Formats: sequence, C-alpha cells, structure tokens
Amino acid sequence: GAVVSQHPSWVICKSGTSVKIECRSLDFQATTMFWYRQFPKQSLMLMATSNEGSKATYEQGVEKDKFLINHASLTLSTLTVTSAHPEDSSFYICSARGLTGQPQHFGDGTRLSIL
Amino acid sequence: DQQVKQNSPSLSVQEGRISILNCDYTNSMFDYFLWYKKYPAEGPTFLISISSIKDKNEDGRFTVFLNKSAKHLSLHIVPSQPGDSAVYFCAASANSGGGADGLTFGKGTHLIIQP
Repeated sequence: GAVVSQHPSWVICKSGTSVKIECRSLDFQATTMFWYRQFPKQSLMLMATSNEGSKATYEQGVEKDKFLINHASLTLSTLTVTSAHPEDSSFYICSARGLTGQPQHFGDGTRLSIL
Repeated sequence: DQQVKQNSPSLSVQEGRISILNCDYTNSMFDYFLWYKKYPAEGPTFLISISSIKDKNEDGRFTVFLNKSAKHLSLHIVPSQPGDSAVYFCAASANSGGGADGLTFGKGTHLIIQP
C-alpha cells in the first residue's frame, strides 16, 4: 500500500524555537498534501492543504506566518512551526494523496512538546 | 460545531461476531466518506470509502453503508477478529474527494474485540 513517512516522530524543545516537520510520500507522487493537528481528546483538524509548486491554503484560524508550509516536490512537504510556544504543543500529522479520487494516506504523526 | 460525529467512544464485541461502528454528519455538502483504522503510535490507515452516489460498498470483511437522507453511515466488520481492535475514524469530504479538500474527522471509536 501507499507509504507516507513523517519525521521526526517526537520533538521536545524550548519556547521560541522553530521546528520543521517533514512529510514524504515514499512510493507515489503526491499532488496534494495535507497537514492536520490533534489536541487531546479531539479529532484530527485540518490545518492546511498544499499542492506541489504553489502556496498552501490555510483553514480559518490557522496562522500562515506561524505555520509555514513548503511543498517543493511531488514527494516532500514540510511544516515549520515558527517561534513555537507551549500552546503549539500538539500532535501534527500529514497526509498525501496521489491521483484525483484516491484516498489520503497518512504519516505516523509528530508529537510536538514545547517547554 | 462537529460536522462528523461518532457518538460511541468505545465498543466491545466478541470475536467472530459482527462489529458495527456508526457515524453521523451534518454537512450536506459532504459526498465522499472514508473509514480509517488507527493503532497506537501509528497514523490512520485507510480502510474503505464510499461515494454519495452509492449506498453500500464492500471489501472483504468490511462493508460501509450510507444513508444520505439520515446523514448516517456505518462500518460493518464481520466476522470480527482480534487484530481489528483499534480506533476507527469516520471522515468526510466534499467534491467527491477529488478536489483539494481536506477531510473532516470524527473523534473515533475504540473497538475492542474480546476472545
């Protein structure tokens, strides 16, 4: 099946640090990648959608200057949490989709803890 | 406001019996529905999907039923096996999943298969 790799799986860092999370589709070309966030006891919430070579589309309430998304190739998207603060601590997970109509395939997620 | 609801946080079923997981949605624009299965420390794994033009889709032991008038879908697993123990997420999108639409998730149902 389709494989999506997300790295790192766990990050602990100090407040004010910027953190970069990578999402790679290993065995297919992902025309669209998605970034989600999950707070405890909540469902996965879509943050942004990125298409290769174009700017990401952010959901309402998600700060684009805070969460920088780059989708430079058909197999790699990155999410950078800039100047992270404790309230940014969450579980971040990416997904990737190939051709139109195919389901999204998810990475294993990144647990981000800001001290 | 939750647009996708899974009202049962957990469900316990005896091995060999049928497991039925339910999901309700409120957004009438949703026309593509998916079920994902998630083990601890892993990302969601795609199980089965259904388009709103159908009312049933079957794949091996897994069948998804869609009742558009009731805005309700269910996942049937028969027979249930110990390896089916996991958290199951219902997800929905608009535009038949073919556009750059992210998924709206429910909070998940923890299925426990008892030997």
